[in-house]
Amino acid sequence: DAGVIQSPRHEVTEMGQEVTLRCKPISGHNSLFWYRQTMMRGLELLIYFNNNVPIDDSGMPEDRFSAKMPNASFSTLKIQPSEPRDSAVYFCASSSRGRGYGYTFGSGTRLTVV
Amino acid sequence: AQTVTQSQPEMSVQEAETVTLSCTYDTSESNYYLFWYKQPPSRQMILVIRQEAYKQQNATENRFSVNFQKAAKSFSLKISDSQLGDTAMYFCAFMKPIDSGTYKYIFGTGTRLKVLA
Repeated sequence: DAGVIQSPRHEVTEMGQEVTLRCKPISGHNSLFWYRQTMMRGLELLIYFNNNVPIDDSGMPEDRFSAKMPNASFSTLKIQPSEPRDSAVYFCASSSRGRGYGYTFGSGTRLTVV
Repeated sequence: AQTVTQSQPEMSVQEAETVTLSCTYDTSESNYYLFWYKQPPSRQMILVIRQEAYKQQNATENRFSVNFQKAAKSFSLKISDSQLGDTAMYFCAFMKPIDSGTYKYIFGTGTRLKVLA
């Protein structure tokens, strides 16, 4: 099992550019979560999916953020246009519905917007 | 609302010694799960230990153990025989159910632990 795979590991972009972060969950996991980690706000849940359907996106900070999960093995988090305050580490995590054994996190994408 | 509080922003311990990281939480639920995650400089979030609230026995994983006090809503992590590789940020997390079978974490703000040689 390769675990949760995120790409890219690092992303540096200029303000105003579109950024797309990618995530491949563990096969068989049907819940997927996107988190953002900053020094000021810690770990924040942005959005989560069950069976590819977005359930709660109340954590998405602004309309500039959007997330999709077109199939069980792929999800994207897009920021358009990006701003310096979006600089953070973005984590994707997946879990098996009903197990309550916790999530498996990806290694995160460090985003820097200059 | 559920909250998780880690009152120790930073701690240090000598190699081979024992250290305890504290965590308190607030919930009105009776059945829930609690976790400790470790985040080393590599930033990977690594599950250290897990406790089910309906189990009175404290969870243990090798050198890691918890002191779970349900009535006090306390969930501390004890690391025995500390090793340099234990240097990391440690997050306490409460898992609340969202719907049938789906859960989400409420994380504490973390404790930065440094193990000294």
